[in-house]
Amino acid sequence: EPEVTQTPSHQVTQMGQEVILRCVPISNHLYFYWYRQILGQKVEFLVSFYNNEISEKSEIFDDQFSVERPDGSNFTLKIRSTKLEDSAMYFCASTQPPGQGETQYFGPGTRLLVL
Amino acid sequence: AQKITQTQPGMFVQEKEAVTLDCTYDTSDPSYGLFWYKQPSSGEMIFLIYQGSYDQQNATEGRYSLNFQKARKSANLVISASQLGDSAMYFCAMREVYGGATNKLIFGTGTLLAVQP
Repeated sequence: EPEVTQTPSHQVTQMGQEVILRCVPISNHLYFYWYRQILGQKVEFLVSFYNNEISEKSEIFDDQFSVERPDGSNFTLKIRSTKLEDSAMYFCASTQPPGQGETQYFGPGTRLLVL
Repeated sequence: AQKITQTQPGMFVQEKEAVTLDCTYDTSDPSYGLFWYKQPSSGEMIFLIYQGSYDQQNATEGRYSLNFQKARKSANLVISASQLGDSAMYFCAMREVYGGATNKLIFGTGTLLAVQP
């Protein structure tokens, strides 16, 4: 069964460093998302991406964040200069267009720890 | 504004019994979808079940069923015949659909379910 994959599974970084989180969405999906979950809290939307551009972003998604689909399969989230409060689990998700399947399938997550 | 409320922070259930996890939602959009996800201690988000706002029947997937009461704006998850492996955090989520565009998921705060032998 097709699945969303994410790398790395864990990342430890120093405050101020740049990190890139990688995702490979399900191949026939067209909408892509990043969410984050701070430890013990609920899952929060960061950004959605369609047709090679951001379709929506939350107030969390400030100038330190960027997303890219560098090729036909990868979808990346870059945090330019990490802060302590960026420590969280980051989930990538993907879905088909409306009318072709409504479910957002999540990857296993990347657990980011900023020291 | 969209909102999902899960009022049960934690629940216990005996193995083999059924359990209902509550979820209420608020939206002004007539077209929306409701989801339940399971998050075991390993952290991944596992899709369980989906209910569309226009679906006439309550959704079922194996031991999972969704008790959808549109007038009450509730979408409770029922797990029948609980198993030890059902112990996990369960999140209710909603997505509004604007003009055909797929929108973000809004999550509730989750319910931690513990299945006791």
